[in-house]
Amino acid sequence: EAEVAQSPRYKITEKSQAVAFWCDPISGHATLYWYRQILGQGPELLVQFQDESVVDDSQLPKDRFSAERLKGVDSTLKIQPAELGDSAMYLCASSLAPGTNEQFFGPGTRLTVL
Amino acid sequence: EDKVVQSPLSLVVHEGDTVTLNCSYEVTNFRSLLWYKQEKKAPTFLFMLTSSGIEKKSGRLSSILDKKELFSILNITATQTGDSAVYLCAVTGTASKLTFGTGTRLQVTL
Repeated sequence: EAEVAQSPRYKITEKSQAVAFWCDPISGHATLYWYRQILGQGPELLVQFQDESVVDDSQLPKDRFSAERLKGVDSTLKIQPAELGDSAMYLCASSLAPGTNEQFFGPGTRLTVL
Repeated sequence: EDKVVQSPLSLVVHEGDTVTLNCSYEVTNFRSLLWYKQEKKAPTFLFMLTSSGIEKKSGRLSSILDKKELFSILNITATQTGDSAVYLCAVTGTASKLTFGTGTRLQVTL
């Protein structure tokens, strides 16, 4: 069964360091999402791509976060510099198209910033 | 701003009990409501509801949407310890992004 792949699964870093997360969506899924989930809360959208274009990055802290999906397939989310408050689960999801299609989530990357 | 409120925040039941989880929402130009189950990993998809009054069912789980009153319920009958998880409700609207609630943490004990 097709799955969303993410790596790494776990990342521990010190504050002020740079970190990067990778996501490979389900083949054929045009829409890709990055979410951040803080412990005890629901996921919060950081950025949404339609193919290689950013559709929504209104909640992305652009002073330190960046995301790209250069060829419209896999995607990278980067944080530089990392802060203590960035400790969270970073989830990638994909869907065939935006709107009424269900989103399928990858296993996530758990980030701990020391 | 889109908003999802889930209740209760947590509950503990005995195996075999039936539970009802609630989700109310405010969203601009509603498109769909989704339920996810989250154990100690990423959310897994349960149901997507777009029409009022039509029950979606999968085994012991079922869900229904009321678009007039802006809420949905998720029912789990004959609960099992494997049902222990956080259940997340999310909605999509004009923006097509998912707006999640904080979830209901369900613990099923023997």
